[in-house]
Amino acid sequence: GEDVEQSLFLSVREGDSSVINCTYTDSSSTYLYWYKQEPGAGLQLLTYIFSNMDMKQDQRLTVLLNKKDKHLSLRIADTQTGDSAIYFCAEKEDSSASKIIFGSGTRLSIRP
Amino acid sequence: EADIYQTPRYLVIGTGKKITLECSQTMGHDKMYWYQQDPGMELHLIHYSYGVNSTEKGDLSSESTVSRIRTEHFPLTLESARPSHTSQYLCASSEGQAKALNTEAFFGQGTRLTVV
Repeated sequence: GEDVEQSLFLSVREGDSSVINCTYTDSSSTYLYWYKQEPGAGLQLLTYIFSNMDMKQDQRLTVLLNKKDKHLSLRIADTQTGDSAIYFCAEKEDSSASKIIFGSGTRLSIRP
Repeated sequence: EADIYQTPRYLVIGTGKKITLECSQTMGHDKMYWYQQDPGMELHLIHYSYGVNSTEKGDLSSESTVSRIRTEHFPLTLESARPSHTSQYLCASSEGQAKALNTEAFFGQGTRLTVV
């Protein structure tokens, strides 16, 4: 079945760039997402990318997609303490699909 | 602004009790979902709905049941809670048209359930 994998933890220094990686198995994935979950809060959609794109940039966020390797990454430039959260990678097969498959989440912590 | 609400936020209940976790959204979304998330683990889809009177089981087998009598409401029920049901339950909704361009799913804040 479909699977989405992420490393569980990442620690970066404040001001550095954070790169969170994700791999997925479903070659028919059309939509790939990054969600952010802050402590005690729900999931917030950060950004998404269609499978026909290689890169998407939105302010401090850059999403890179390597469809051949089924690898998705989220780069956060100039990481701030407010970026501390769990980041979930997710994929969906197509626009009519009813389910979104999530990874286990990467906990990002910021060092001063 | 996303408006999807779950109640209660936290619930501690004894074994054998019947519980209902509430989820409501005011966005008129057709699709709604229930996910289960254990600490440090991935989200697992346990139920989803295409619209009123439509419910389907997700990827993870669950002893819970759901109903969708109204568009905005998607409650999840456990007839007899057990300690193995202890987890966080997240409700979500998204637009339902087959050719919808909007790919965003909105999540509630979750219900953390502990069965003792």
